[in-house]
Amino acid sequence: EAGVTQFPSHSVIEKGQTVTLRCDPISGHDNLYWYRRVMGKEIKFLLHFVKESKQDESGMPNNRFLAERTGGTYSTLKVQPAELEDSGVYFCASSLTRMGRETQYFGPGTRLLVL
Amino acid sequence: KNEVEQSPQNLTAQEGEFITINCSYSVGISALHWLQQHPGGGIVSLFMLSSGKKKHGRLIATINIQEKHSSLHITASHPRDSAVYICAVDEYGNKLVFGAGTILRVKS
Repeated sequence: EAGVTQFPSHSVIEKGQTVTLRCDPISGHDNLYWYRRVMGKEIKFLLHFVKESKQDESGMPNNRFLAERTGGTYSTLKVQPAELEDSGVYFCASSLTRMGRETQYFGPGTRLLVL
Repeated sequence: KNEVEQSPQNLTAQEGEFITINCSYSVGISALHWLQQHPGGGIVSLFMLSSGKKKHGRLIATINIQEKHSSLHITASHPRDSAVYICAVDEYGNKLVFGAGTILRVKS
């Protein structure tokens, strides 16, 4: 079974440009999460999809960030326009809703550098 | 102050040593996760705990809900155990809150 995949693995862009990150969850997983680690800080929650719906987007830093999950499969996270402080590693995770607690499976992350 | 505190921040051990990493949290949780991240690699979930103790190979994780404390132990440590170990808590909403991580280096 394929794990969570993310694309690209690395992205270097200039301030003001737009970047779109993609996450493909494990097939059949209804929950999809985006997290971010900025330099020197702990990983922070950004948002949570259940299928195509945003369940919780309380961690999104501002309106320059837009996440979508059309059709409830893969998700994209767009940053427009990118700022220097957006640099960091963006992780995606997915899980399957079941009785009790579910394990989140993480992707390899996308390393974003904004210059 | 972060809701999840890990100690130590950095740990260097000799191969074969017994290692303990601690995690304290200040909020009510439904579960606690221990995660591992190798340099340049993605994050792997090691354990998810809501009570008691779990063991997988040389790794043991314990949690004391009353004391809001968890420990991750590595027995007979090996250089391949070198990684960042991250504690994360689930605050009843599947939204994980992460500790800063413990950087472990095991020397041969």
